[in-house]
Amino acid sequence: GQNIDQPTEMTATEGAIVQINCTYQTSGFNGLFWYQQHAGEAPTFLSYNVLDGLEEKGRFSSFLSRSKGYSYLLLKELQMKDSASYLCAVENYGQNFVFGPGTRLSVLP
Amino acid sequence: DTAVSQTPKYLVTQMGNDKSIKCEQNLGHDTMYWYKQDSKKFLKIMFSYNNKELIINETVPNRFSPKSPDKAHLNLHINSLELGDSAVYFCASSQGPRDTGFVGSRRGNTEAFFGQGTRLTVV
Repeated sequence: GQNIDQPTEMTATEGAIVQINCTYQTSGFNGLFWYQQHAGEAPTFLSYNVLDGLEEKGRFSSFLSRSKGYSYLLLKELQMKDSASYLCAVENYGQNFVFGPGTRLSVLP
Repeated sequence: DTAVSQTPKYLVTQMGNDKSIKCEQNLGHDTMYWYKQDSKKFLKIMFSYNNKELIINETVPNRFSPKSPDKAHLNLHINSLELGDSAVYFCASSQGPRDTGFVGSRRGNTEAFFGQGTRLTVV
């Protein structure tokens, strides 16, 4: 079966660091993606991991451990505009992106 | 210049009607998708086409029928609309196959680019 889990909601303060976790079980693994989705808008791509380890992209970093079926998205120096839903998605062997339920992040002043 | 565009953005219709949503991508991608996002914001795959051929058809009522006239277009036609069909429908595209970079993997797709979504409300 396929299952992806993320926390439903998180709250953090402007300027802080927040880590959003994702655990997954899928039929085959071709990579893990993180997307950001603001309310009423389309998801936009943030990062991609296929090998174990950390990928850094400016204020955003993403980590993957394939043996543990675990990833996290790290957001540093939080800004108000980072308030959004963050979606973890795994590409399985069917070349299909399976999305998690998303984590709604609220950044407070 | 919009990469993935879908029309209409909003669609309000009565139960029992038939409606279509159109999607076009100008990225030269081989694979296109339709996703449904319900009120709980869960994004779920409905269909996937690769070079005009259907490769994924999840458990979706057969009232939903995708049509891909060419690899740049993937339209979604819905017959006999029901209240439960109300949701946001996203079209997306990605390029594949690519080398994932590790031994033993299968070649997968690049990240998906999404259209703006079509908010369908059935009354």
